[in-house]
Amino acid sequence: GAVVSQHPSWVICKSGTSVKIECRSLDFQATTMFWYRQFPKQSLMLMATSNEGSKATYEQGVEKDKFLINHASLTLSTLTVTSAHPEDSSFYICSALWVTSTDTQYFGPGTRLTVL
Amino acid sequence: GESVGLHLPTLSVQEGDNSIINCAYSNSASDYFIWYKQESGKGPQFIIDIRSNMDKRQGQRVTVLLNKTVKHLSLQIAATQPGDSAVYFCAEKANNNDMRFGAGTRLTVKP
Repeated sequence: GAVVSQHPSWVICKSGTSVKIECRSLDFQATTMFWYRQFPKQSLMLMATSNEGSKATYEQGVEKDKFLINHASLTLSTLTVTSAHPEDSSFYICSALWVTSTDTQYFGPGTRLTVL
Repeated sequence: GESVGLHLPTLSVQEGDNSIINCAYSNSASDYFIWYKQESGKGPQFIIDIRSNMDKRQGQRVTVLLNKTVKHLSLQIAATQPGDSAVYFCAEKANNNDMRFGAGTRLTVKP
């Protein structure tokens, strides 16, 4: 149980285009999902908290108009990187909160975004 | 919560030896702790967790120790194998669901 998938696993796009990344909880419902960004050899940096049916909560310094988050169902959250630029190239990882007595976050496999 | 982007500390061990990875946490109100393993190019994988009402918990080849007095968490891996090579993150969580991640430690297992 507690499997989280991401799609695509990698994507290459041209500068100025938008890219959508999907995060799905496969065997549990997740009212809360999280989006992280990770640079090489660095730790996870929380970008935003995605809540089903409401607006996402963004961390300080993260542009909400650039990183659009939609959490339309209990098993799906999407992150859209709008007007992508090379500096947006990174590893994007989502996690889903499995609400139990411990509220553990389970992570997706990540999406490698390369903007040319 | 977010972790600060830092270059990861490293730990190198010989295959078959025991590994100990340490983590200092910041919030005395944290009551739940998790260790994650992240292999290159993959997302973090849940390894083991512990609640604050415990000071030790064992899994398969792994043991987590919690010292609330000094806010210290450690992960012990017995008989370390090449497949254990990865980055290990500790995470702490308080009641508000705000999970904070440590900087991570890169474990390298030498054959």
